[in-house]
Amino acid sequence: EPEVTQTPSHQVTQMGQEVILRCVPISNHLYFYWYRQILGQKVEFLVSFYNNEISEKSEIFDDQFSVERPDGSNFTLKIRSTKLEDSAMYFCASRPPGQGFSYGYTFGSGTRLTVV
Amino acid sequence: QKEVEQDPGPLSVPEGAIVSLNCTYSNSAFQYFMWYRQYSRKGPELLMYTYSSGNKEDGRFTAQVDKSSKYISLFIRDSQPSDSATYLCAMRATDSWGKFQFGAGTQVVVTP
Repeated sequence: EPEVTQTPSHQVTQMGQEVILRCVPISNHLYFYWYRQILGQKVEFLVSFYNNEISEKSEIFDDQFSVERPDGSNFTLKIRSTKLEDSAMYFCASRPPGQGFSYGYTFGSGTRLTVV
Repeated sequence: QKEVEQDPGPLSVPEGAIVSLNCTYSNSAFQYFMWYRQYSRKGPELLMYTYSSGNKEDGRFTAQVDKSSKYISLFIRDSQPSDSATYLCAMRATDSWGKFQFGAGTQVVVTP
């Protein structure tokens, strides 16, 4: 079964450093998302991306965050200057075109980001 | 008031019992409702989805939506130890394709 692949599975970074989280969505999917889950808290929407631009973003997704689809297969989330409170599990998700809501979203297994 | 409320549990049931999960919400604009299952250190996996009010059944799973009460439920019949996981409800409004609001998740433990 097709999967959304995220790398790395765990990343430790120092406060103030830039990090890039990588995702390879399912090949025929055209809508891409990032969510995060702080330990013990709910899954939170960050951003949706379609046709090489951001469709929607949450209040969390401030100027420190950016997304990119640099080569038609990878989908990346960059945090420019990490803070301790950015420590969380980051999930990438994607969904296919033309099938709307009913097929839901396929989530990756996540990248655990630890900021020290 | 939180937009989506879900009891975190844990909810412990014996194998073969019915698991009953629910979420309440405050935003009347929510039209699409989903249930995800999340195993430890894994991403959420879609189980069920429903649009607006009504019931939907898929194998051992039944999802119910009562929009008048702003209340959704998931029932798991003949529960198995492999059903032990965290169950997340998620919902969104019509004009917000990607922005799901998730509940905090209910941890379910099915004991053999």
